[in-house]
Amino acid sequence: DAGITQSPRHKVTETGTPVTLRCHQTENHRYMYWYRQDPGHGLRLIHYSYGVKDTDKGEVSDGYSVSRSKTEDFLLTLESATSSQTSVYFCAISGQGDYGYTFGSGTRLTVV
Amino acid sequence: GENVEQHPSTLSVQEGDSAVIKCTYSDSASNYFPWYKQELGKGPQLIIDIRSNVGEKKDQRIAVTLNKTAKHFSLHITETQPEDSAVYFCAACTSGTYKYIFGTGTRLKVLA
Repeated sequence: DAGITQSPRHKVTETGTPVTLRCHQTENHRYMYWYRQDPGHGLRLIHYSYGVKDTDKGEVSDGYSVSRSKTEDFLLTLESATSSQTSVYFCAISGQGDYGYTFGSGTRLTVV
Repeated sequence: GENVEQHPSTLSVQEGDSAVIKCTYSDSASNYFPWYKQELGKGPQLIIDIRSNVGEKKDQRIAVTLNKTAKHFSLHITETQPEDSAVYFCAACTSGTYKYIFGTGTRLKVLA
């Protein structure tokens, strides 16, 4: 996944704790997205960003917040993790005028 | 709300045969339709896309067709090979939004 990295790749956390996932890109792309992937649901948009400090909610944003203070970084925070947030989280990027996404390798999050 | 339905959820074909995956979208304003391939443990990767002003697009063994009137589009893979085994996702996007609605995925198994 050239140009986009997610960290950590795996994380186990306890219910009620805050968790932050990081997405870092080196492509200078304007748009960044956070999706979660669950069996039977495909990929669902959590939040997205269309520029530094410009973010908006997706279809499953409850319990999540995001921040983008620099073009290259998009952070996803689970304010108080719940078992329903156990999932694989993918970050994606796309450039202005280019609708194709490049996805990161994903973060597998387990909330126990 | 906007929705993309994808069928079948699983598909098994013999090596060398063709595979077809179908998607239907609900938002008539959708005008960009990508297909992604996801291999085990990896992020989805764009394999082909089509815009609403085109009815068909081919790239070697892969083709996508679009029927705007019926609001459905399909992925065709010919001469399937074991390395085609993966999960395939369709998506629909409306110009200017850069946000996708994904289908729920099709697990393709190519049997040697």
